[in-house]
Amino acid sequence: KAGVTQTPRYLIKTRGQQVTLSCSPISGHRSVSWYQQTPGQGLQFLFEYFSETQRNKGNFPGRFSGRQFSNSRSEMNVSTLELGDSALYLCASSPQSGANVLTFGAGSRLTVL
Amino acid sequence: DQQVKQNSPSLSVQEGRISILNCDYTNSMFDYFLWYKKYPAEGPTFLISISSIKDKNEDGRFTVFLNKSAKHLSLHIVPSQPGDSAVYFCAARAAPTGNQFYFGTGTSLTVIP
Repeated sequence: KAGVTQTPRYLIKTRGQQVTLSCSPISGHRSVSWYQQTPGQGLQFLFEYFSETQRNKGNFPGRFSGRQFSNSRSEMNVSTLELGDSALYLCASSPQSGANVLTFGAGSRLTVL
Repeated sequence: DQQVKQNSPSLSVQEGRISILNCDYTNSMFDYFLWYKKYPAEGPTFLISISSIKDKNEDGRFTVFLNKSAKHLSLHIVPSQPGDSAVYFCAARAAPTGNQFYFGTGTSLTVIP
């Protein structure tokens, strides 16, 4: 059974640009959550999508957005990139929302110069 | 506002000895707690969990203890093995918040052969 797949694994952008990250959940999983990991801050919840609807959103500015497609694949977008957006972005999937365990992908490492 | 705290950024333990990783939380609404392990360049992987109705949960070499009155969680690894060297994150959730987990900042465990 394939795990959670995130693309791209690494990318470099400059301030002001925008970026789109992709996540393919485990087959059959309908919930996809996104987390940002930065040194000293741990993992911080960005948002969760379930059945193409945003279920929850963390405390991040509106520059961070996401969506989910009918096949449960999800994308997140960050517009007008800032230096502080440099982080590891982790996607996690679960069969349902409110699951007891999230399965994480390896992450997309974003560097903003 | 960090609702889940791991105050020890790092811990070194001799192989065969016990590793104790600690986690404190502030939100009394948290009712479910997990530990994740993360190796470099990989996503976090689920290790063990505990519900707030229990005070202990064991899985092989791993035991999680929950002290609700102290709002304290600990993970015991006995005996520690070099392969346990990784970053450990504790996480908590308040129902019903879907897949919004609050993570600590992580403790880097090094098991010395």
